[in-house]
Amino acid sequence: NAGVTQTPKFRVLKTGQSMTLLCAQDMNHEYMYWYRQDPGMGLRLIHYSVGEGTTAKGEVPDGYNVSRLKKQNFLLGLESAAPSQTSVYFCASRNPSGPGELFFGEGSRLTVL
Amino acid sequence: DQQVKQNSPSLSVQEGRISILNCDYTNSMFDYFLWYKKYPAEGPTFLISISSIKDKNEDGRFTVFLNKSAKHLSLHIVPSQPGDSAVYFCAAEGTSYDKVIFGPGTSLSVIP
Repeated sequence: NAGVTQTPKFRVLKTGQSMTLLCAQDMNHEYMYWYRQDPGMGLRLIHYSVGEGTTAKGEVPDGYNVSRLKKQNFLLGLESAAPSQTSVYFCASRNPSGPGELFFGEGSRLTVL
Repeated sequence: DQQVKQNSPSLSVQEGRISILNCDYTNSMFDYFLWYKKYPAEGPTFLISISSIKDKNEDGRFTVFLNKSAKHLSLHIVPSQPGDSAVYFCAAEGTSYDKVIFGPGTSLSVIP
């Protein structure tokens, strides 16, 4: 039972470097989300997708880009990493049939030096 | 400005007693509310939810109360157990059921 899988689990970057976080889900969910978790701030929504080929901005989208080329994958990109992007990133997915629970991955810890 | 607020960053409770975690929201368009639990180094997991047309939902030791006029909800855990020690997030979504907005979380410690 894989559920939601995030890759990589840990990464250290230098300021200005780029990277991509991969989220894969095997539950055939339509909706997928990227959140970041910071002390005192909780989980803040970065971007989300309501289906293959669609993306939308969340609460804190600046400095990030996303793509949903395949239904099961949702990629989060940092084109030029900044120390303020040091955080733990969580991907989640769910079905669109009304309100309902999100299924989260285990998180990806990113440090930008 | 945060749309979902949890004003208590931490809470400490004796085992066997009641834990009450509070949440306030500002957006009157929110229609559905959820509570998630998170252990260190793990992703959040769904705990319990409530629709805006209800004022109470119960699941075992967990009960969520909603006061829509006050834009306030609370999670009651009775009796509290050491395994309940975790961070609890309140979340909300509107009638479009796409974006889910989380609060900053409350860290609960249940002391044996």
